[in-house]
Amino acid sequence: NAGVTQTPKFQVLKTGQSMTLQCAQDMNHEYMSWYRQDPGMGLRLIHYSVGAGITDQGEVPNGYNVSRSTTEDFPLRLLSAAPSQTSVYFCASSYSSGTGGRTEAFFGQGTRLTVV
Amino acid sequence: AQSVTQLDSHVSVSEGTPVLLRCNYSSSYSPSLFWYVQHPNKGLQLLLKYTSAATLVKGINGFEAEFKKSETSFHLTKPSAHMSDAAEYFCVVTLMDTGRRALTFGSGTRLQVQP
Repeated sequence: NAGVTQTPKFQVLKTGQSMTLQCAQDMNHEYMSWYRQDPGMGLRLIHYSVGAGITDQGEVPNGYNVSRSTTEDFPLRLLSAAPSQTSVYFCASSYSSGTGGRTEAFFGQGTRLTVV
Repeated sequence: AQSVTQLDSHVSVSEGTPVLLRCNYSSSYSPSLFWYVQHPNKGLQLLLKYTSAATLVKGINGFEAEFKKSETSFHLTKPSAHMSDAAEYFCVVTLMDTGRRALTFGSGTRLQVQP
């Protein structure tokens, strides 16, 4: 059972380039999210999805796009990379508990992105 | 709106002494609360979770946390620190309704353990 798989693990981009960070989960979770982690700021939510075909913005969505065509995959696209997007990116998935709440999130290992 | 405040950005303890990492939350609804640990250059691992069952929650590696609704707190404790506990710890809140919000993270507490 692979859980949540993120690729690549490391990436260096030049300013203005675009790229896609891949995220896949094999647990049939309906919720998936993308976070960025910067020193002293915890993890901040970029975009999330409550199911295939449904996405919504989080706290810091500017400069990023997402789509959710299948339950398993939730790619994050950087449209035109900027140095301010240098960060560690985490993808996470979770599911609804029997009481209607959310369970804990299962995280990928992260992607360390540097924009020069 | 929901938010999480971790009251200490750094905590330093000696090996074998108790650990206390403080977390306060605000939420309009009944929250689910979690503590995660992140070792250097690693991903996030769930330590424990509160989801409206017992208010005292036991987690992995000897950690536990108590949900206190009157104080809106969910502090993490461990009776005796070990060198391997040195890491960053995140308090996390989510709502118990079926709303679309994802997890809200505190800013983290870095735990140092001195020999």
